[in-house]
Amino acid sequence: QVQLQESGPGLVKPSETLSLTCSVSTGSISSYYWSWIRQSPGRGLEWVAYIHYSGSANYNPSLRSRVTISVDTSKNQFSLRLSSVTAADTAVYYCARELDYYDSSGRIHGAFDIWGQGTMVTVSS
Amino acid sequence: SSELTQDPAVSVALGQTVRITCQGDSLRTYYASWYQQKPGQAPLLVIYGRNNRPSGIPDRFSGSYSGNTASLTITGAQAEDEADYYCNSRDSSGNHRVFGGGTKLTVL
Repeated sequence: QVQLQESGPGLVKPSETLSLTCSVSTGSISSYYWSWIRQSPGRGLEWVAYIHYSGSANYNPSLRSRVTISVDTSKNQFSLRLSSVTAADTAVYYCARELDYYDSSGRIHGAFDIWGQGTMVTVSS
Repeated sequence: SSELTQDPAVSVALGQTVRITCQGDSLRTYYASWYQQKPGQAPLLVIYGRNNRPSGIPDRFSGSYSGNTASLTITGAQAEDEADYYCNSRDSSGNHRVFGGGTKLTVL
């Protein structure tokens, strides 16, 4: 069974850059889309970005100007960078695998079938 | 539209049936998936597609659709089903992923 593990600093200063890595174990990073999803304390889930093992990526429009997602297939890892952070970026950050499937008309759909345990990142001076 | 709307809270008596809904224009095009989240835990996929359950998810969980609304039904709710439930899909462009605001389910 594929397992995901987030890693990175738990405390980031305002205006600095948050950097997180998700390590994929017991399975290959190839052939899937991989996402970062965050959850502010007491709030709901917010999709941040996804990347395909080929390198194609897409971002939440509300965060696009500050987010970079990348993949390192040789290390079976993908990473998130979020610049110019503020207290509003304080959240549990999850990495997740997206299971893609097709309907009868050939349209693609997805679901996040495997999640990391999450890592809490606090933005504070 | 990139929005998915859920009722903030729903309650159900032990052993009864409850339906949790998720509304959004993109659901006319893309399937929803449903996640159960208990305090301090990562979300768990419980339903995806038209009505598919991952391995290990009890068959009391089911999914359905009507127009722009996806529904998660728990038939015979158990105490351990008390949790937050989130729907997720793609936005109308298909390029971005979106989550509903979540529904807190209380089992009485």
